[in-house]
Amino acid sequence: LAKTTQPISMDSYEGQEVNITCSHNNIATNDYITWYQQFPSQGPRFIIQGYKTKVTNEVASLFIPADRKSSTLSLPRVSLSDTAVYYCLVGSRGGSGYALNFGKGTSLLVTP
Amino acid sequence: GAVVSQHPSWVICKSGTSVKIECRSLDFQATTMFWYRQFPKQSLMLMATSNEGSKATYEQGVEKDKFLINHASLTLSTLTVTSAHPEDSSFYICSAAGTGGTGELFFGEGSRLTVL
Repeated sequence: LAKTTQPISMDSYEGQEVNITCSHNNIATNDYITWYQQFPSQGPRFIIQGYKTKVTNEVASLFIPADRKSSTLSLPRVSLSDTAVYYCLVGSRGGSGYALNFGKGTSLLVTP
Repeated sequence: GAVVSQHPSWVICKSGTSVKIECRSLDFQATTMFWYRQFPKQSLMLMATSNEGSKATYEQGVEKDKFLINHASLTLSTLTVTSAHPEDSSFYICSAAGTGGTGELFFGEGSRLTVL
């Protein structure tokens, strides 16, 4: 199982770019990297997913180096509503335990 | 994206009673669903994997006789907390595995259980 390590918490001001890095040293060949956002008393919400290099969607970018042992979620110009816990998960359908790897997550606090 | 719905979103019950939580995949068929429990300010903890048409697989330390899981159809999995006690009070979340091979999970809104 690919264990993930993230910073416990991060603080940012509104309008700044926030980068959250996740370490997953023993990621398997078939594993994808997926990031989720969770607000209090809500289920996690999918943000972005990638396998290698860079992926961008309307809310975030995901940077994955060639060795895939880490990944960085980039949130451009955060707002107060981006205050949430962000989880990095590593796994793949058909692989063992791909739903297990919820680490402690990163609690992001955005202030004015 | 795919939609997973949980019901009820919150429930309060007396100690000793049983509570059923439903998890439905609204626009896709989910052969595999997962049930999590989350205590305040903690991460999600996987309780069990629910496979359609077969017995659920429980994680170590989770009592299968207390947390009954049924996945009788491709769109519905249920979690029944039997003889609930105050220590079972928690936020229960289900997720369904996407049909692609990338491991994406679709989560329900969560169900807040309070046992008095």
